[in-house]
Amino acid sequence: QSALTQPPSASGSPGQSVTISCTGTSSDVGGYNYVSWYQHHPGKAPKLMIYEVNKRPPGVPGRISGSKSGNTASLTVSGLQAEDEGDYYCSSKAGSNNFVVFGGGTKLTVL
Amino acid sequence: EVQLVESGGGLVQPGGSLRLSCAASGFTFTNFWMTWVRQTPGKGLEWVANIKSDGSENNYVDSVKGRFSISRDNARDSLYLQMNSLRAEDTAVYFCARNRFTMDVWGQGTTVTVSS
Repeated sequence: QSALTQPPSASGSPGQSVTISCTGTSSDVGGYNYVSWYQHHPGKAPKLMIYEVNKRPPGVPGRISGSKSGNTASLTVSGLQAEDEGDYYCSSKAGSNNFVVFGGGTKLTVL
Repeated sequence: EVQLVESGGGLVQPGGSLRLSCAASGFTFTNFWMTWVRQTPGKGLEWVANIKSDGSENNYVDSVKGRFSISRDNARDSLYLQMNSLRAEDTAVYFCARNRFTMDVWGQGTTVTVSS
């Protein structure tokens, strides 16, 4: 049950695009299409942004997208806005049972 | 409105016990897996445990196995986390969330502090 690997920080200017990576193994990210991404502001409930690699829940803007290649998943935020600031976490089904593993989180700053 | 509300957090001494609760409303609780996730101070989110919709299966992160127990009461639309033999490293904000792999609804969290 090792944590997925994310960069600790990412940043971009308003209007730019930024991509956050999430690297695991063939036993989690690479093995299943159950990768999710969450935005979290301290003191608040985490918010689901992407599920099953590239699906957006209702209310999440189209400029937020997800993808996966091999053991690495990615979250791309296009047209950066101030509201996009926060901590972003990936998660994945891990193993053949119903375990879950999170990434260490990435702090996104809009410059 | 779909909602999850945690309660039961507090200050407890090392070795002590605490029972967290999560009250669900606005959706058919019996249809969903439920999950506990925690965030330790200055660190990220960590999956703790989950439980199947009918309570017939549960899973735990290795660090809490044998000490924590997840359960649910579908008649009361409630999820629980019994935490025994608590350690300083269990200090965290504990969140309940709906579903197992796609956690689409989250509570605001309840804070557990393990300290003497």
